[in-house]
Amino acid sequence: GNSVTQMEGPVTLSEEAFLTINCTYTATGYPSLFWYVQYPGEGLQLLLKATKADDKGSNKGFEATYRKETTSFHLEKGSVQVSDSAVYFCALESGNQFYFGTGTSLTVIP
Amino acid sequence: GAVVSQHPSRVICKSGTSVKIECRSLDFQATTMFWYRQFPKQSLMLMATSNEGSKATYEQGVEKDKFLINHASLTLSTLTVTSAHPEDSSFYICSARRPAGEQFFGPGTRLTVL
Repeated sequence: GNSVTQMEGPVTLSEEAFLTINCTYTATGYPSLFWYVQYPGEGLQLLLKATKADDKGSNKGFEATYRKETTSFHLEKGSVQVSDSAVYFCALESGNQFYFGTGTSLTVIP
Repeated sequence: GAVVSQHPSRVICKSGTSVKIECRSLDFQATTMFWYRQFPKQSLMLMATSNEGSKATYEQGVEKDKFLINHASLTLSTLTVTSAHPEDSSFYICSARRPAGEQFFGPGTRLTVL
């Protein structure tokens, strides 16, 4: 079946620190992979996506590479800001259906 | 990007009443809309998939008589929580899919049942 496992939080970092949030998946077929961000009290916003192996999604300084050999899609950012504090969800889409990870809460302190 | 709206954003109701939540795709026609539920500090759980003009398909464990879904047009789907109870309190998020396949999420509706 399809599932997503992502690193449990919460994660607390100082401003300008390096961020990695791990995400691995199991899937039948060839899924698309996504990272969504949810700010407090709001819905999901698409952060980045990759639709095939070796694709790299990037947006607002965040990056993630679709690694088929390790079934991973880890989220990285070189220098986080206070405004990046949010919950991050890894997700896969297969057969027009989404499967989400449990979310990782990130807090960036000045 | 495409916009999906939800109304209301927050609702508080008494136990036993029914609550309707609207999901609209504002600038595209959505062939399919999805309803998710999110418990505090947890991920989104798909509740049901609705296609315009046909009955919704519910996920296992979701009571279709409790959570009524109507997809009356290509831009509007409604979720009605009937006879709401405190355990129905949650964050409900819809998403809408373009015919080309890309899916967009609404901002969510916070339901609190007293």
